[in-house]
Amino acid sequence: EAGVAQSPRYKIIEKRQSVAFWCNPISGHATLYWYQQILGQGPKLLIQFQNNGVVDDSQLPKDRFSAERLKGVDSTLKIQPAKLEDSAVYLCASSLTHHNEQYFGPGTRLTVT
Amino acid sequence: DQQVKQNSPSLSVQEGRISILNCDYTNSMFDYFLWYKKYPAEGPTFLISISSIKDKNEDGRFTVFLNKSAKHLSLHIVPSQPGDSAVYFCAARGTSGSRLTFGEGTQLTVNP
Repeated sequence: EAGVAQSPRYKIIEKRQSVAFWCNPISGHATLYWYQQILGQGPKLLIQFQNNGVVDDSQLPKDRFSAERLKGVDSTLKIQPAKLEDSAVYLCASSLTHHNEQYFGPGTRLTVT
Repeated sequence: DQQVKQNSPSLSVQEGRISILNCDYTNSMFDYFLWYKKYPAEGPTFLISISSIKDKNEDGRFTVFLNKSAKHLSLHIVPSQPGDSAVYFCAARGTSGSRLTFGEGTQLTVNP
């Protein structure tokens, strides 16, 4: 069974630029999550989708972050404009339903200079 | 407001000995607890979990203990192996949803 796929794996941008990350969850998984992991901290949930609807985006900085999950499968997370403090690993996870085990992708390491 | 805390950033043990990783939480609404393991350049991988109705769950070399009155859980690995060297995250989930709240992680190093 293929795991959660993410791209790119690494990205370096200058502050005020925009960036987008892509996630392809495990086939059949209805729930998709985006986490931000800053160095030395645990992952923090940014947004949770159930199919193509948003369930929880309470910790998403909506002035600069946006996410969508069209057709309830792939998802993109965008940052515009980026700040230095956005430097982190962005992890995508998926689960069969919202109460099942979450499977994580390898993450995208973002460096903002 | 750090609701899940792992106070030891790192732990070093000898191969064959026991590794004990600790985690404390403050939110009494948490009812399900998980441990994840993370290797460099990979995403976290689920290891073991425990519901608040239990005080112990065992899976092979891994055992998780939950002390609800102390709001404390621990992961025991016996015997420890060099391949267990990784960052271990404690996570908790509340009754109202599926959001996981993670601790900061503990880097475990098992020396041959």
